[in-house]
Amino acid sequence: GAVVSQHPSWVICKSGTSVKIECRSLDFQATTMFWYRQFPKQSLMLMATSNEGSKATYEQGVEKDKFLINHASLTLSTLTVTSAHPEDSSFYICSARARDRGFYEQYFGPGTRLTVT
Amino acid sequence: DAKTTQPPSMDCAEGRAANLPCNHSTISGNEYVYWYRQIHSQGPQYIIHGLKNNETNEMASLIITEDRKSSTLILPHATLRDTAVYYCIVTTSGTYKYIFGTGTRLKVLA
Repeated sequence: GAVVSQHPSWVICKSGTSVKIECRSLDFQATTMFWYRQFPKQSLMLMATSNEGSKATYEQGVEKDKFLINHASLTLSTLTVTSAHPEDSSFYICSARARDRGFYEQYFGPGTRLTVT
Repeated sequence: DAKTTQPPSMDCAEGRAANLPCNHSTISGNEYVYWYRQIHSQGPQYIIHGLKNNETNEMASLIITEDRKSSTLILPHATLRDTAVYYCIVTTSGTYKYIFGTGTRLKVLA
């Protein structure tokens, strides 16, 4: 099946700095990728839809200037958390939409745990 | 907001069938029901999906009521490795956006 990777798997950064998280589709091309955020013991919250070659579409309440998304190629989307603060500490998960077994589904990456100190 | 409601938690004895219900009473005609599960601190894993017919694959069975307002995921012989949070998601074939609800935390007991 389709594989999605994320890098890094975990990162610690100081408050006020920016952090970039990469999401790659390893064996397929993905025109659409999604970014989610998950706080401890909570469900996944969709942040934005990333389309290759165009601007991302952000969900209501998500600051687009704080969470910069770039989908420059069919296999790579990046999420940059700018001027990170401790409240941005969370588990960030990406997914890529693919038609692998005759139907569309989202393949999820393993997640990136961000801790802002 | 999520279009699904699920019980927050369930227990199941190892080797028995686990039946996880999901209510999606506002589902519309072009919306699919997808099931995923998330094992602790990992990305969600696809299980099964359906539109209106019952479906079965190597992992599970999906039973959708005739009015499509609810469904049940069945794990026929639960093992300890099936302990996870199970999410039922309703999505359209157009946007493919997933809005996750709170899910059901399934604990399989030895």
